[in-house]
Amino acid sequence: QTVTQSQPEMSVQEAETVTLSCTYDTSESDYYLFWYKQPPSRQMILVIRQEAYKQQNATENRFSVNFQKAAKSFSLKISDSQLGDAAMYFCARQGGSEKLVFGKGTKLTVNP
Amino acid sequence: SQTIHQWPATLVQPVGSPLSLECTVEGTSNPNLYWYRQAAGRGLQLLFYSVGIGQISSEVPQNLSASRPQDRQFILSSKKLLLSDSGFYLCAWDRGLSDTQYFGPGTRLTVL
Repeated sequence: QTVTQSQPEMSVQEAETVTLSCTYDTSESDYYLFWYKQPPSRQMILVIRQEAYKQQNATENRFSVNFQKAAKSFSLKISDSQLGDAAMYFCARQGGSEKLVFGKGTKLTVNP
Repeated sequence: SQTIHQWPATLVQPVGSPLSLECTVEGTSNPNLYWYRQAAGRGLQLLFYSVGIGQISSEVPQNLSASRPQDRQFILSSKKLLLSDSGFYLCAWDRGLSDTQYFGPGTRLTVL
């Protein structure tokens, strides 16, 4: 069971909006989805979490998700991009007895 | 609040030497603990997880082992390092499978 991030790299202009894509595969009916940020320091930082049973898309300040359960899609939108948003972003899924499974990541560059 | 520590932050070791990486969590009890490895430019691979003292599950066969001598202490070891053991090692904790995982700052291991 996999998590796929189809965009190895993305770039955005400062103050603009960018969307990072993620699709996943699962046979679980109850699961959780996450976006983590890994800045150059390499510590993994939670950006946002979505419970699959919730229809409402999670939002955390400038970060929001578009969760399409039927399509098994979980994209991250970053609004008003800032230089500090530059990082690797990892999508991850956890559900049932499964441990957390990560995608391979998307490197986001923010241009001034 | 909870805090997770890892040390050392950086380690350079010769092939064939032993390894001991330590992870401790503060501010919680009975955490689930995890060891991940991240190769350069890649996602995270789960190596070991533990649901309690002395309880270790291995996700992939390898040259490494893990131990949990205390409730909030998780140790990653090797008797003889290989070149392929180089990478970035992350420790993480959570309270259960439906909980968010929180990561430590990581250890960068270079085997020469």
